[in-house]
Amino acid sequence: AQSVTQLDSQVPVFEEAPVELRCNYSSSVSVYLFWYVQYPNQGLQLLLKYLSGSTLVKGINGFEAEFNKSQTSFHLRKPSVHISDTAEYFCAVTMDGNNRKLIWGLGTSLAVNP
Amino acid sequence: DVKVTQSSRYLVKRTGEKVFLECVQDMDHENMFWYRQDPGLGLRLIYFSYDVKMKEKGDIPEGYSVSREKKERFSLILESASTNQTSMYLCASSSGGRTPYEQYFGPGTRLTVT
Repeated sequence: AQSVTQLDSQVPVFEEAPVELRCNYSSSVSVYLFWYVQYPNQGLQLLLKYLSGSTLVKGINGFEAEFNKSQTSFHLRKPSVHISDTAEYFCAVTMDGNNRKLIWGLGTSLAVNP
Repeated sequence: DVKVTQSSRYLVKRTGEKVFLECVQDMDHENMFWYRQDPGLGLRLIYFSYDVKMKEKGDIPEGYSVSREKKERFSLILESASTNQTSMYLCASSSGGRTPYEQYFGPGTRLTVT
């Protein structure tokens, strides 16, 4: 069965520092990968997605992620964070042929401190 | 601009009441989803629908039912609300077809059952 593991439940970081939020998945078939962000008291919105092609994917707000098939990872990075990046980040995966549902990680809470 | 709306942002109900949560999308999406979100548990799928009058159970359907009479509207029903159903409820929609389109989320309904 597919599963998604977000390795850190909380990540504190200072403003303007780089950040990496880690996501690993388990699947024996082709997968499609997503990162979503949830700002306080809001719904989720898509940050970026990997469907095929280049393994480095760029998203909104300066975030990027790299798909690594051999390590089954899809880590999210930003070179310099802002206070406004404080939010919950979710990694999700769906598999080829059954892409209606997403399998979700438990989320990583990013706290950017001044 | 794509839009998923939920009928209430905050709702307080008493134990045993029948509760209706409404979700409407304006994107002509085939798929619609109901999740609940609890601290430390991430997003858990309650039910989803891939067509009018069609539904499938998610991971935690017990105590819930759904209705989809029109393509744009997906309702979640708590037949007899209980305190353990106090949670944030998120509705989402996505396009159908083979390509794994991303899910678009509403702002959420925070339900408190007393």
